[in-house]
Amino acid sequence: DADVTQTPRNRITKTGKRIMLECSQTKGHDRMYWYRQDPGLGLRLIYYSFDVKDINKGEISDGYSVSRQAQAKFSLSLESAIPNQTALYFCATSDTSGRAKETQYFGPGTRLLVL
Amino acid sequence: GQQVMQIPQYQHVQEGEDFTTYCNSSTTLSNIQWYKQRPGGHPVFLIQLVKSGEVKKQKRLTFQFGEAKKNSSLHITATQTTDVGTYFCAGRASGTYKYIFGTGTRLKVLA
Repeated sequence: DADVTQTPRNRITKTGKRIMLECSQTKGHDRMYWYRQDPGLGLRLIYYSFDVKDINKGEISDGYSVSRQAQAKFSLSLESAIPNQTALYFCATSDTSGRAKETQYFGPGTRLLVL
Repeated sequence: GQQVMQIPQYQHVQEGEDFTTYCNSSTTLSNIQWYKQRPGGHPVFLIQLVKSGEVKKQKRLTFQFGEAKKNSSLHITATQTTDVGTYFCAGRASGTYKYIFGTGTRLKVLA
């Protein structure tokens, strides 16, 4: 969905480096999520935020941290990247009311390779 | 913790054949969603089911939510090449606020 953008779209980094993936949305949604996708494992939730002051760990938060700088921005950081963090990362947003309540809108994804 | 499994992991069908993917949760769900991800793309919402035993249709797609609200299925009638992609279910357990995605079923349609 063009209303949810992720930068960068592709990133190659080395083991031990700190990197940040950014997500921005213009949908006005309060809820934002970070997932990683690995072949055969589906989408796994890393962190989620229900508003600027609310941050929650998902299924696989170890090795990751997040920052909700504003309603529209949610960043994912890898403090010290390791090869098994090589994956496709998706940001998503959802609303809390209306007909599309709880529908998740995904960004285009960031493909990360850790060497 | 909550787990959501999908079967099969892969399915190849001839164009015109039917296709079904099944989703099973280890815990009772409040609701379940289905998403489709085209090759190289991102997941796109298809539908949400909330009621026990609910059945919803979208053209050739039929979605069911089990009576016990622990399983769901997506059935596609007479597949077309445009149906190619990976189909994910995502369930929200009762009393929680996050969705757990299934492992996905990757569909290939042979023309």
